[in-house]
This record gives sequence, C-alpha cells and structure tokens, in this order.
Amino acid sequence: AQSVSQHNHHVILSEAASLELGCNYSYGGTVNLFWYVQYPGQHLQLLLKYFSGDPLVKGIKGFEAEFIKSKFSFNLRKPSVQWSDTAEYFCAVYMDSNYQLIWGAGTKLIIKP
Amino acid sequence: DTGVSQNPRHKITKRGQNVTFRCDPISEHNRLYWYRQTLGQGPEFLTYFQNEAQLEKSRLLSDRFSAERPKGSFSTLEIQRTEQGDSAMYLCASSSTSPGELFFGEGSRLTVL
Repeated sequence: AQSVSQHNHHVILSEAASLELGCNYSYGGTVNLFWYVQYPGQHLQLLLKYFSGDPLVKGIKGFEAEFIKSKFSFNLRKPSVQWSDTAEYFCAVYMDSNYQLIWGAGTKLIIKP
Repeated sequence: DTGVSQNPRHKITKRGQNVTFRCDPISEHNRLYWYRQTLGQGPEFLTYFQNEAQLEKSRLLSDRFSAERPKGSFSTLEIQRTEQGDSAMYLCASSSTSPGELFFGEGSRLTVL
C-alpha cells in the first residue's frame, strides 16, 4: 500500500541548532512532494514543494528539502532554527495513480528559546 | 481575505444529531477537498470535487457522510446521526492546477458529546 512515513513524532531543539526531519514514501511511480507546516493556532500551509528538476528545493523561512529518488526520501532541513519555527510539520506525497495526497503522521517540533 | 473560509469554526453537538459544515474555496480554484484530522495524525482524505463533480470519495467514509458542491463554488459536508468517533477537525482545501498544492481553511472542529 502507498504510504508516507515520518520518522520522528516529536523533536525538541534549542535555537540555532540544525534541523533535519525525515520523510520516506512507498511508491515507485511519479510523485510530487510537499512539506506543509501548521503553526500553533493556524491553518496548514505549504512550506515547499518538489515537482521536477533540481532535487534540492528551497522554501519559505530558510527551509530546504532534498529529494533522493533512490531512497524514496524527501527530508526537510534548516541549518539554524528559531523559536518561531515551533510548529507541526507534515510531509505529503502526491502520487500519479490517484487524485490524493498521502500524508505522513506529522512531526511536532518544539524550539527552546 | 481571499483565502479558504470554513464555517462554523467550532460545533458542539449531541450524539445522533446532524451537522453541516460549509467551505468557500478560493474563487478561481476548481478543485476542492475535504479532510478529517485527529490529534497526532495527518489529514485523512474524505472526498474530492473538480468543479461540481465529486470524483473521489474515501472508502473509509460511511454512508452518514455526504458532501455537495452545487455550481462548483462552495461546498457542504453533512454528517448524519453523529457519533462520538466523529469528533475531529474537518478541513477544507482548494487548489487550481498544481496537483497536491493545497490551500487550507482554518478548519471546523466538531465535538460530539
């Protein structure tokens, strides 16, 4: 079955630490890849996306993600986190077999000031 | 504000009652999605419209759930004979032509007592 796995459900970091959130998917066909973020009390919003081309994509607020096709991965990174990055992060994969996004369970990120 | 609008934001109801949620998508978006989200989980797909046509419906969705999108504009999601297990956040999202790039509303939180 098609699925998306996020390895860490909770991550706690101090400000200025580096961040990497893992995301793996199981599907051998063409995919579009997304990271969405939900800040406390706010709606889900797009952080970054990959459709094709350069596998290293940059999003808002200094986030980037790398698509590694051989590993079926799309990990999210940020070199130096800020307190305002406290949020829940969701990886989502659009597979060309249906109209749906398949979502990971999310990672709650807490940044200690 | 030209984003996705959902009403009501919070609904408390007794078990067995019917509830209806409304979603007004971004006006130029022809695709509309309903998701359900519970604590600690990613959004769970419920149904999808392209214009007024309901193209996909989750097999997990019982017959108590129905959605409409008359005239391809706003959409309603009705839950009949609510059960405590229906308590969740109901999310609406719209998109244009980029598969998987969704714009979410604030959500409608349902509490069934």
